[in-house]
Amino acid sequence: DGGITQSPKYLFRKEGQNVTLSCEQNLNHDAMYWYRQDPGQGLRLIYYSQIVNDFQKGDIAEGYSVSREKKESFPLTVTSAQKNPTAFYLCASSIVGGGRSEAFFGQGTRLTVV
Amino acid sequence: GQNIDQPTEMTATEGAIVQINCTYQTSGFNGLFWYQQHAGEAPTFLSYNVLDGLEEKGRFSSFLSRSKGYSYLLLKELQMKDSASYLCAVIWAGSYQLTFGKGTKLSVIP
Repeated sequence: DGGITQSPKYLFRKEGQNVTLSCEQNLNHDAMYWYRQDPGQGLRLIYYSQIVNDFQKGDIAEGYSVSREKKESFPLTVTSAQKNPTAFYLCASSIVGGGRSEAFFGQGTRLTVV
Repeated sequence: GQNIDQPTEMTATEGAIVQINCTYQTSGFNGLFWYQQHAGEAPTFLSYNVLDGLEEKGRFSSFLSRSKGYSYLLLKELQMKDSASYLCAVIWAGSYQLTFGKGTKLSVIP
């Protein structure tokens, strides 16, 4: 079955440590995205990528980094520079162009920094 | 800016009809999505509107007025399982990524 997979579902890290969240898709989508969601908030865009080896900052990129070495994979690193990293992180993918770029989401990773 | 506004919370009774509104700036608008998100889960696609009018899909319908910068999601015959957050998201011209509103948390009560 085609889909988008995030791992792990729950992640705990100590303050000051970098942590990498995994996102893989087998939908053959060109575009991939990382969103952050805080309680009572909508989804805020961290980074997005339309093509391998290229990505752009979203609205809240500070303290995060990404790579896009393969079309299927778009890992997100939460660095120690991110002041408030505890949140629910959602990865998504979509086609590009044609107007209807419906985003398909992974199950999310809930990151807790202690 | 690209503000997308939705009510924060709504409550409705099982079996009733509820309308969730979404307003957005009209400049550069290129399409609107509605997603459903249960607590702690990923958003799932409900509907897509790019032309004016009503799109019906079972118990859910979505309406768009491009000139007014306005959309609504209509849920009929509410069920307890419809308790969730409903997210309005817009695609702007020249981009491919979605911009989300803050979502409307719907509580369905017996």
